[in-house]
Amino acid sequence: KAGVTQTPRYLIKTRGQQVTLSCSPISGHRSVSWYQQTPGQGLQFLFEYFSETQRNKGNFPGRFSGRQFSNSRSEMNVSTLELGDSALYLCASSKTTGEAFFGQGTRLTVV
Amino acid sequence: GESVGLHLPTLSVQEGDNSIINCAYSNSASDYFIWYKQESGKGPQFIIDIRSNMDKRQGQRVTVLLNKTVKHLSLQIAATQPGDSAVYFCAENGNAGGTSYGKLTFGQGTILTVHP
Repeated sequence: KAGVTQTPRYLIKTRGQQVTLSCSPISGHRSVSWYQQTPGQGLQFLFEYFSETQRNKGNFPGRFSGRQFSNSRSEMNVSTLELGDSALYLCASSKTTGEAFFGQGTRLTVV
Repeated sequence: GESVGLHLPTLSVQEGDNSIINCAYSNSASDYFIWYKQESGKGPQFIIDIRSNMDKRQGQRVTVLLNKTVKHLSLQIAATQPGDSAVYFCAENGNAGGTSYGKLTFGQGTILTVHP
């Protein structure tokens, strides 16, 4: 059974640009969550999608957005990138109830 | 205020010893807890979970203990091996009633180093 797949693995962007990250959940998992991991703040919840609807949202500015498609794949977008957005972005998938499994993450560097 | 960086607790053990990693949580309404292991350059790896109606759960070489009275969670690793060296995170689901298991609040993590 394939795990959670995130693409790309690494990304370098310039301040002011926008970026889109992709996540393919485990087959059969309908919930997809996104997290930001930084040395300063640790792992922080961004948002969660279930059946194409955002069900929960963390405390991040509106520059961070996401969506989920009918096949449960999800994307997150960050607009007007800032240096502080440099982080490991992690996606996790889960069934309606149960453990969340993480992908390898996308390492975003903003220069 | 701004954080200049998390100072993670560390635990150093000898190979073969038992390890105990502790975690305090804040939300008394949390009903689901998970322990994750994260190795350098990788995403968190699920280890074991426990629901709030239990106080102990065992897996292969790992045991999770939950004390709801003092809001404390611990992970015990038996016969610790060098491959267990990693950062360990506890996570809680803060949604009372369990309507969403996708939103987890993570602890700061503990660095476990196992010496051969």
